Amino acid sequence: DGGITQSPKYLFRKEGQNVTLSCEQNLNHDAMYWYRQDPGQGLRLIYYSQIVNDFQKGDIAEGYSVSREKKESFPLTVTSAQKNPTAFYLCASSIGPRSTDTQYFGPGTRLTVL
Amino acid sequence: DAKTTQPTSMDCAEGRAANLPCNHSTISGNEYVYWYRQIHSQGPQYIIHGLKNNETNEMASLIITEDRKSSTLILPHATLRDTAVYYCIVLSGNYGGSQGNLIFGKGTKLSVKP
Repeated sequence: DGGITQSPKYLFRKEGQNVTLSCEQNLNHDAMYWYRQDPGQGLRLIYYSQIVNDFQKGDIAEGYSVSREKKESFPLTVTSAQKNPTAFYLCASSIGPRSTDTQYFGPGTRLTVL
Repeated sequence: DAKTTQPTSMDCAEGRAANLPCNHSTISGNEYVYWYRQIHSQGPQYIIHGLKNNETNEMASLIITEDRKSSTLILPHATLRDTAVYYCIVLSGNYGGSQGNLIFGKGTKLSVKP
């Protein structure tokens, strides 16, 4: 089956620890995205990547880092510098970087920092 | 990108058609109408999109008014599994525009009841 996978589904971490969220896609998509969603809110863009070895900051990149060493993979690290990391994190991909290239989402990772 | 307005919530009886309206009165000529939905605690799911003509796929139909200032998403035979928040978004068709930043508003919470 083609699709986007995120792991784990639930993640608990102590305050001050860095944590890396996985995102893998086998759709052969060039573009990938990370969003954050807080309860009752819409999506906010953290980082996006239009092509391998390239990525750009979104609206709320502070306290996060990413890498794009392979086309299929776009991991997100939530660092200890992120002041309020507890949230639902969503990864998406699209065939290209045009704003009208349909984005397909993974199931999400719910991160709770204790 | 143009702003959209949707009702906060709607109810629909199982097996009946669900008609979800969206107002986008400031839409410009190269902007597409996209619909996504999000079932509780899952990633958003792409439903359908269109520019001028009505569109239909296996999930839904999209009816866009002639002046393009509003549209209606139709789920022809709603099931309990269609209970979700439905988002109407307008996206520019320009290359390199919003760089994939999907700005979800509050959406419409559709409750399908037995």
